[in-house]
Amino acid sequence: QVQLQESGPGLVKPSQTLSLTCTVSGGSISSGDYYWSWIRQPPGKGLEWIGYIYYSGSTYYNPSLKSRVTISVDTSKNQFSLKLSSVTAADTAVYYCARSDTAMVGLIFDYWGQGTLVTVSS
Amino acid sequence: EIVLTQSPGTLSLSPGERATLSCRASQSVSSSYLAWYQQKPGQAPRLLIYGASSRATGIPDRFSGSGSGTDFTLTISRLEPEDFAVYYCQQYGSSPLTFGPGTKVDIK
Repeated sequence: QVQLQESGPGLVKPSQTLSLTCTVSGGSISSGDYYWSWIRQPPGKGLEWIGYIYYSGSTYYNPSLKSRVTISVDTSKNQFSLKLSSVTAADTAVYYCARSDTAMVGLIFDYWGQGTLVTVSS
Repeated sequence: EIVLTQSPGTLSLSPGERATLSCRASQSVSSSYLAWYQQKPGQAPRLLIYGASSRATGIPDRFSGSGSGTDFTLTISRLEPEDFAVYYCQQYGSSPLTFGPGTKVDIK
């Protein structure tokens, strides 16, 4: 059974860069069978898709965040990562990593990490 | 960007009752590329329905989805205690994919 686990600092200062990593176990990112996404949820609010990466390194980002987002993959560690620059309090959220099957049309998220809360505060 | 609106915001029902949740899109969702998720407090969302009406693996048949175009519905035929949660719709027919604001189903 595949498992995803987010890790990274829980507190980031305004204007700095938020960095998170998702470690995948029980399956290989290199299989090419999945897209790997980041999704966030501000406290008490709804979900916002940030972007995805494929094992080859190709990415697609939400246009609303594109100027500040970088998603990368390390297939040797079976991990993918998120960097979000110039953060403000509005970036405070629970950040999830999630998987989408390439056999399905479109991005549908069938496995999720447990989520990690990142607070932006000085 | 397609904006999804969910109604009602909160649905107060008793176990055993039928729940009907609505998701309306600001423009037509191509090929019924709409999914539903369930989220319980402190947990990640769980995929229930995709393609507007196909149940995900392991989802009980009391959950059903319907609709097309701009109007979609999630129905829970008989609420079990574990079904009290927040439900989100998501469209994935147009980029960027978007989620609705959620409907909370709580115990009356």
